[in-house]
Amino acid sequence: EAGVAQSPRYKIIEKRQSVAFWCNPISGHATLYWYQQILGQGPKLLIQFQNNGVVDDSQLPKDRFSAERLKGVDSTLKIQPAKLEDSAVYLCASSPREAGELFFGEGSRLTVL
Amino acid sequence: SQQGEEDPQALSIQEGENATMNCSYKTSINNLQWYRQNSGRGLVHLILIRSNEREKHSGRLRVTLDTSKKSSSLLITASRAADTASYFCATAGGTSYGKLTFGQGTILTVHP
Repeated sequence: EAGVAQSPRYKIIEKRQSVAFWCNPISGHATLYWYQQILGQGPKLLIQFQNNGVVDDSQLPKDRFSAERLKGVDSTLKIQPAKLEDSAVYLCASSPREAGELFFGEGSRLTVL
Repeated sequence: SQQGEEDPQALSIQEGENATMNCSYKTSINNLQWYRQNSGRGLVHLILIRSNEREKHSGRLRVTLDTSKKSSSLLITASRAADTASYFCATAGGTSYGKLTFGQGTILTVHP
Protein backbone atom coordinates (compact mmCIF):
# COMPACT_ATOMS: atom_id res chain seq x y z
CA GLU A 1 0.00 0.00 0.00
CA ALA A 2 1.15 3.55 -0.64
CA GLY A 3 2.69 5.35 2.31
CA VAL A 4 2.12 8.85 3.64
CA ALA A 5 3.09 11.40 1.00
CA GLN A 6 4.46 14.81 1.89
CA SER A 7 5.62 17.76 -0.17
CA PRO A 8 7.79 19.66 -0.59
CA ARG A 9 10.71 17.71 0.87
CA TYR A 10 12.79 20.85 1.32
CA LYS A 11 11.93 24.52 1.53
CA ILE A 12 14.11 27.54 2.21
CA ILE A 13 12.45 30.89 2.89
CA GLU A 14 13.24 34.26 4.42
CA LYS A 15 11.78 35.16 7.80
CA ARG A 16 8.36 36.78 7.60
CA GLN A 17 7.56 34.86 4.40
CA SER A 18 4.87 32.20 4.27
CA VAL A 19 5.08 28.50 3.48
CA ALA A 20 2.64 25.63 3.08
CA PHE A 21 3.16 21.90 3.45
CA TRP A 22 0.93 19.21 2.03
CA CYS A 23 0.20 15.73 3.31
CA ASN A 24 -1.70 12.83 1.79
CA PRO A 25 -2.26 10.10 4.39
CA ILE A 26 -2.66 6.39 3.82
CA SER A 27 -6.06 5.64 2.31
CA GLY A 28 -8.67 4.92 4.94
CA HIS A 29 -6.72 6.37 7.85
CA ALA A 30 -9.07 8.58 9.83
CA THR A 31 -6.48 10.09 12.17
CA LEU A 32 -3.87 12.53 10.87
CA TYR A 33 -1.10 14.26 12.81
CA TRP A 34 1.33 17.08 12.15
CA TYR A 35 4.53 17.03 14.20
CA GLN A 36 7.39 19.50 14.36
CA GLN A 37 10.86 18.05 14.89
CA ILE A 38 13.67 20.44 15.67
CA LEU A 39 17.17 19.09 15.06
CA GLY A 40 18.29 16.83 17.90
CA GLN A 41 14.85 16.64 19.53
CA GLY A 42 11.87 14.33 19.47
CA PRO A 43 8.77 15.15 17.43
CA LYS A 44 6.37 17.62 19.03
CA LEU A 45 2.68 17.34 18.20
CA LEU A 46 1.24 20.42 16.52
CA ILE A 47 -2.23 19.23 15.60
CA GLN A 48 -4.28 16.04 15.48
CA PHE A 49 -7.28 15.51 13.20
CA GLN A 50 -9.93 12.81 13.42
CA ASN A 51 -11.49 12.75 9.94
CA ASN A 52 -11.80 16.49 9.23
CA GLY A 53 -12.29 17.58 12.83
CA VAL A 54 -9.54 18.89 15.13
CA VAL A 55 -8.93 16.69 18.18
CA ASP A 56 -5.94 18.51 19.66
CA ASP A 57 -4.24 21.73 18.62
CA SER A 58 -3.09 22.84 22.05
CA GLN A 59 0.56 23.19 20.97
CA LEU A 60 -0.11 24.86 17.62
CA PRO A 61 1.09 28.51 17.62
CA LYS A 62 -2.18 29.78 16.26
CA ASP A 63 -0.94 33.32 15.67
CA ARG A 64 1.19 32.02 12.80
CA PHE A 65 0.36 28.37 12.15
CA SER A 66 -2.82 27.04 10.61
CA ALA A 67 -3.85 23.61 9.41
CA GLU A 68 -6.84 22.14 7.67
CA ARG A 69 -8.00 18.77 6.52
CA LEU A 70 -10.66 19.16 3.92
CA LYS A 71 -12.97 16.20 3.23
CA GLY A 72 -11.11 14.20 5.87
CA VAL A 73 -8.28 13.21 3.52
CA ASP A 74 -5.42 15.54 2.48
CA SER A 75 -4.11 18.12 4.88
CA THR A 76 -2.14 21.34 4.61
CA LEU A 77 -0.07 23.08 7.26
CA LYS A 78 0.68 26.77 6.76
CA ILE A 79 3.08 29.09 8.50
CA GLN A 80 2.64 32.83 8.07
CA PRO A 81 4.78 34.74 8.86
CA ALA A 82 7.71 32.39 9.47
CA LYS A 83 10.27 32.97 12.20
CA LEU A 84 13.82 31.72 12.47
CA GLU A 85 12.79 29.27 15.21
CA ASP A 86 10.37 27.58 12.82
CA SER A 87 13.32 25.91 11.11
CA ALA A 88 12.56 22.23 11.59
CA VAL A 89 11.27 19.12 9.90
CA TYR A 90 7.48 18.95 9.66
CA LEU A 91 6.29 15.39 9.85
CA CYS A 92 2.88 14.17 8.85
CA ALA A 93 1.59 10.87 10.18
CA SER A 94 -1.63 8.93 9.87
CA SER A 95 -3.18 6.09 11.80
CA PRO A 96 -6.15 3.83 11.21
CA ARG A 97 -7.32 4.45 14.78
CA GLU A 98 -6.69 6.70 17.74
CA ALA A 99 -3.74 5.66 19.93
CA GLY A 100 -2.67 3.11 17.31
CA GLU A 101 0.64 2.92 15.52
CA LEU A 102 1.54 5.92 13.39
CA PHE A 103 2.72 5.80 9.80
CA PHE A 104 5.01 8.72 9.04
CA GLY A 105 5.87 10.48 5.83
CA GLU A 106 9.46 11.43 5.01
CA GLY A 107 8.92 14.95 6.30
CA SER A 108 9.31 18.47 4.94
CA ARG A 109 12.50 20.20 6.00
CA LEU A 110 12.06 23.96 6.45
CA THR A 111 14.95 26.38 6.73
CA VAL A 112 14.09 29.98 7.65
CA LEU A 113 16.87 32.50 6.94
CA SER B 1 6.73 19.30 27.43
CA GLN B 2 7.80 15.82 26.40
CA GLN B 3 6.17 12.91 28.23
CA GLY B 4 8.82 10.25 27.65
CA GLU B 5 12.46 10.64 28.51
CA GLU B 6 14.95 8.21 26.99
CA ASP B 7 18.16 7.09 28.56
CA PRO B 8 20.95 7.05 27.51
CA GLN B 9 20.95 9.97 25.08
CA ALA B 10 23.57 8.17 22.99
CA LEU B 11 24.81 4.58 22.85
CA SER B 12 27.74 3.21 20.89
CA ILE B 13 28.29 -0.55 20.56
CA GLN B 14 29.91 -3.18 18.34
CA GLU B 15 28.02 -5.37 15.92
CA GLY B 16 26.70 -8.48 17.62
CA GLU B 17 26.29 -6.82 21.03
CA ASN B 18 22.94 -6.11 22.62
CA ALA B 19 21.58 -2.57 22.94
CA THR B 20 19.27 -1.50 25.74
CA MET B 21 17.41 1.80 25.80
CA ASN B 22 15.16 3.01 28.58
CA CYS B 23 12.16 5.30 28.63
CA SER B 24 10.47 6.93 31.60
CA TYR B 25 7.17 8.77 31.56
CA LYS B 26 5.09 10.78 33.99
CA THR B 27 1.35 10.18 33.60
CA SER B 28 -0.89 7.16 33.09
CA ILE B 29 -0.88 5.66 29.62
CA ASN B 30 -3.01 3.53 27.33
CA ASN B 31 0.00 2.20 25.46
CA LEU B 32 3.66 2.88 24.82
CA GLN B 33 5.28 2.66 21.42
CA TRP B 34 8.84 2.58 20.10
CA TYR B 35 9.92 4.14 16.81
CA ARG B 36 13.15 4.22 14.83
CA GLN B 37 14.35 7.13 12.72
CA ASN B 38 17.21 6.90 10.27
CA SER B 39 19.03 10.13 9.56
CA GLY B 40 16.96 12.45 7.37
CA ARG B 41 13.99 10.10 7.22
CA GLY B 42 10.59 9.76 8.81
CA LEU B 43 9.90 7.60 11.85
CA VAL B 44 9.13 3.91 11.53
CA HIS B 45 6.96 2.10 14.05
CA LEU B 46 8.70 -0.81 15.78
CA ILE B 47 6.43 -2.13 18.50
CA LEU B 48 3.42 -1.20 20.63
CA ILE B 49 2.88 -2.46 24.17
CA ARG B 50 -0.40 -1.91 25.97
CA SER B 51 -0.63 -0.82 29.60
CA ASN B 52 -1.84 -4.27 30.68
CA GLU B 53 1.12 -6.03 29.04
CA ARG B 54 4.50 -6.51 30.66
CA GLU B 55 6.64 -7.80 27.82
CA LYS B 56 6.47 -8.06 24.07
CA HIS B 57 8.76 -9.50 21.41
CA SER B 58 9.17 -8.81 17.72
CA GLY B 59 12.09 -10.44 15.94
CA ARG B 60 15.27 -9.16 17.63
CA LEU B 61 13.31 -6.61 19.66
CA ARG B 62 12.14 -7.10 23.21
CA VAL B 63 10.12 -4.44 25.01
CA THR B 64 9.21 -4.42 28.68
CA LEU B 65 6.78 -2.14 30.47
CA ASP B 66 6.61 -1.46 34.20
CA THR B 67 3.60 0.75 34.86
CA SER B 68 4.35 0.91 38.59
CA LYS B 69 7.69 2.55 37.81
CA LYS B 70 6.36 4.34 34.71
CA SER B 71 9.21 2.98 32.64
CA SER B 72 9.88 0.87 29.57
CA SER B 73 12.94 -0.64 27.99
CA LEU B 74 13.79 -1.63 24.43
CA LEU B 75 16.33 -4.38 23.91
CA ILE B 76 17.83 -5.01 20.49
CA THR B 77 19.69 -8.31 20.45
CA ALA B 78 22.61 -9.20 18.17
CA SER B 79 22.77 -5.67 16.79
CA ARG B 80 23.77 -4.91 13.21
CA ALA B 81 25.29 -1.84 11.58
CA ALA B 82 21.89 -1.30 9.93
CA ASP B 83 20.37 -0.75 13.40
CA THR B 84 22.23 2.57 13.61
CA ALA B 85 19.47 5.16 14.07
CA SER B 86 17.64 7.26 16.65
CA TYR B 87 15.08 5.45 18.76
CA PHE B 88 12.11 7.17 20.33
CA CYS B 89 9.52 6.07 22.83
CA ALA B 90 6.05 7.56 22.59
CA THR B 91 3.17 7.37 25.00
CA ALA B 92 -0.53 7.44 24.23
CA GLY B 93 -3.47 7.77 26.54
CA GLY B 94 -4.17 9.00 29.98
CA THR B 95 -6.25 12.13 29.77
CA SER B 96 -5.29 12.70 26.12
CA TYR B 97 -6.32 9.45 24.50
CA GLY B 98 -5.00 9.31 20.95
CA LYS B 99 -2.37 11.98 21.46
CA LEU B 100 1.04 10.38 21.00
CA THR B 101 3.81 12.20 22.87
CA PHE B 102 7.44 11.51 22.00
CA GLY B 103 10.59 11.60 24.06
CA GLN B 104 13.93 13.10 23.03
CA GLY B 105 15.31 9.86 21.71
CA THR B 106 18.42 7.70 22.01
CA ILE B 107 21.02 7.83 19.25
CA LEU B 108 22.34 4.30 18.67
CA THR B 109 25.54 3.74 16.73
CA VAL B 110 26.51 0.17 15.86
CA HIS B 111 30.08 -0.21 14.64
CA PRO B 112 30.85 -2.98 12.11
